[in-house]
Amino acid sequence: GAVVSQHPSRVICKSGTSVKIECRSLDFQATTMFWYRQFPKKSLMLMATSNEGSKATYEQGVEKDKFLINHASLTLSTLTVTSAHPEDSSFYICSAGRGGRSGELFFGEGSRLTVL
Amino acid sequence: GESVGLHLPTLSVQEGDNSIINCAYSNSASDYFIWYKQESGKGPQFIIDIRSNMDKRQGQRVTVLLNKTVKHLSLQIAATQPGDSAVYFCAEILTGGGNKLTFGTGTQLKVEL
Repeated sequence: GAVVSQHPSRVICKSGTSVKIECRSLDFQATTMFWYRQFPKKSLMLMATSNEGSKATYEQGVEKDKFLINHASLTLSTLTVTSAHPEDSSFYICSAGRGGRSGELFFGEGSRLTVL
Repeated sequence: GESVGLHLPTLSVQEGDNSIINCAYSNSASDYFIWYKQESGKGPQFIIDIRSNMDKRQGQRVTVLLNKTVKHLSLQIAATQPGDSAVYFCAEILTGGGNKLTFGTGTQLKVEL
């Protein structure tokens, strides 16, 4: 099956620094990727839709200047958490779709961010 | 607002028994539903899906039932095994929204030996 890879899987950073998380589709091209955030024992909350070659579409309440998304190619989207604070600590998950049949999405393994 | 929610946050079953996980949705415009399994520290894993023009779909040891009248979705796992222990999410895709998923709250399934 299709594989979506996230890197890093775990990252610890100091407050005020920026962290970049990569999401790659390894064996297919993804015109659209999605970024989710998940708090412990909670559901996944969609943050933004990443579109190759254009600006990301952010969900209501998500700060676009805080969470920078760049979909530079058909196989790579990055999420940069800028000036991270402890409240940004969370599990970030991406998903990628092949396009075509609705719902054919593949999820990455997630990236756990801890901001000290 | 529209939402997808689950009735039970935790479900405990004995190994070998059948499990039933329920989900209620409120957006009648949704035309596609997916069940995901998420193990601790990992991303969601696709289990089974169903379109709104169907009321039942079966996979290997799993069955999804859709009742559009009461906007209810269920996941049945036959002969539950310890490896089935995880959090299960239902998700809906909103028509016109591309592949944007809305996830439900999640149910923790615990399989007791």
